[in-house]
Amino acid sequence: EVQLVESGGGLVQPGGSLRLSCAASGFTVSSNYMSWVRQAPGKGLEWVSVIYSGGRKYYADSVKGRFIISRDNSRNTLYLQMNSLRVEDTAVYYCARGPPISQYYYYMDVWGKGTTVTVSS
Amino acid sequence: QSVLTQPPSVSAAPGQKVTISCSGSSSNIGNNYVSWYQQLPGTAPKLLIYDNNKRPSGIPDRFSGSRSGTSATLGITGLQTGDEADYYCGTWDSSLSAWVFGGGTKLTVL
Repeated sequence: EVQLVESGGGLVQPGGSLRLSCAASGFTVSSNYMSWVRQAPGKGLEWVSVIYSGGRKYYADSVKGRFIISRDNSRNTLYLQMNSLRVEDTAVYYCARGPPISQYYYYMDVWGKGTTVTVSS
Repeated sequence: QSVLTQPPSVSAAPGQKVTISCSGSSSNIGNNYVSWYQQLPGTAPKLLIYDNNKRPSGIPDRFSGSRSGTSATLGITGLQTGDEADYYCGTWDSSLSAWVFGGGTKLTVL
């Protein structure tokens, strides 16, 4: 069964750091585009970042320079290193699988259940 | 302010049809495929439509998608109370080099 399971969320003070993990099963993370999407309380979906198979990475302007997306193929896991956290980063963070690398990044077909990040003093 | 514009809410009676619009520009919808997502209360988003009009396995044909120019539309026929959810459109924006979502549309089945 294809599955994504996020972990690593929690309560952190403004300016702090947190690393989110997304363990994949049923497919290999290196074969697909892999993304992070977040949703602040009561708000809509906000795309955060994507990593391509060749290692190319893209970020939303709101997190550029603070967040780093990466993956460990041996662990079949996607990560999001979040630094200099702000109150406005408070959200549920979802990991999502994109198409196979042979296609364009036009959809996200498998989503995890999400992990909650709260930034507060 | 989202790059893609959706109506905040739509409503219709059970059994009826509803459409949800998603308006963008040439840098996103106009030149890239659109996907649609359903988010039931308290759950993760679920892919409903991809590549403008294709349905993943398991998605009933009550759900349909289309694209014309810089706009896309999600259609739902035979509305059921279980369809009450938030719906989001999304695509890649070639100018921003970023994925963009619409602001979301809350569907109420009266």
